[in-house]
Amino acid sequence: DAEITQSPRHKITETGRQVTLACHQTWNHNNMFWYRQDLGHGLRLIHYSYGVQDTNKGEVSDGYSVSRSNTEDLPLTLESAASSQTSVYFCASSDGTVAKNIQYFGAGTRLSVL
Amino acid sequence: SQQGEEDPQALSIQEGENATMNCSYKTSINNLQWYRQNSGRGLVHLILIRSNEREKHSGRLRVTLDTSKKSSSLLITASRAADTASYFCATDAKGGSNYKLTFGKGTLLTVNP
Repeated sequence: DAEITQSPRHKITETGRQVTLACHQTWNHNNMFWYRQDLGHGLRLIHYSYGVQDTNKGEVSDGYSVSRSNTEDLPLTLESAASSQTSVYFCASSDGTVAKNIQYFGAGTRLSVL
Repeated sequence: SQQGEEDPQALSIQEGENATMNCSYKTSINNLQWYRQNSGRGLVHLILIRSNEREKHSGRLRVTLDTSKKSSSLLITASRAADTASYFCATDAKGGSNYKLTFGKGTLLTVNP
């Protein structure tokens, strides 16, 4: 069955370190998204991509970057981790049609920045 | 401004009762969706209603959409303990090739056995 997987599931890092969270989908979806989820804020969009070599900033993109070199993967990089980036991160994908604009989510990565 | 605000923030009911959650949004939309999130898990799509639809059913779920009031409701009938989860509405802004969804902050539903 098609799926979307995130790794690692849990990560502890130190302030100032670079961290990369992986997202891999086997749906063959064009669209991929990264969100962070924090108490009181719901899900907030960090970055998104509508295809290979396409990346776009979301509402909370500062301190994060993504790259899309193939259809399956959209890694999220924290250039220099800050305590404010402690959060649960979710990756999602969708098939790129307005009529079927349903997103499929990974299980999440819980990141702690100490 | 926040697109997709759920109400109430938390709801506690007994098994067998119905649960109703509401969502308000601010801009014109193509579709409105509801997702469920179990504790410690990712979101799972439940149901999508298009802007030209007023009501949709799926099993024990009933969704209504009032575009004039920019609001939607999700009704879960005959609730079960397994329905305990957070529920989010999500909207996509009308126009263009816009596949982004804006999620609300969610309603935490607790169904007591």
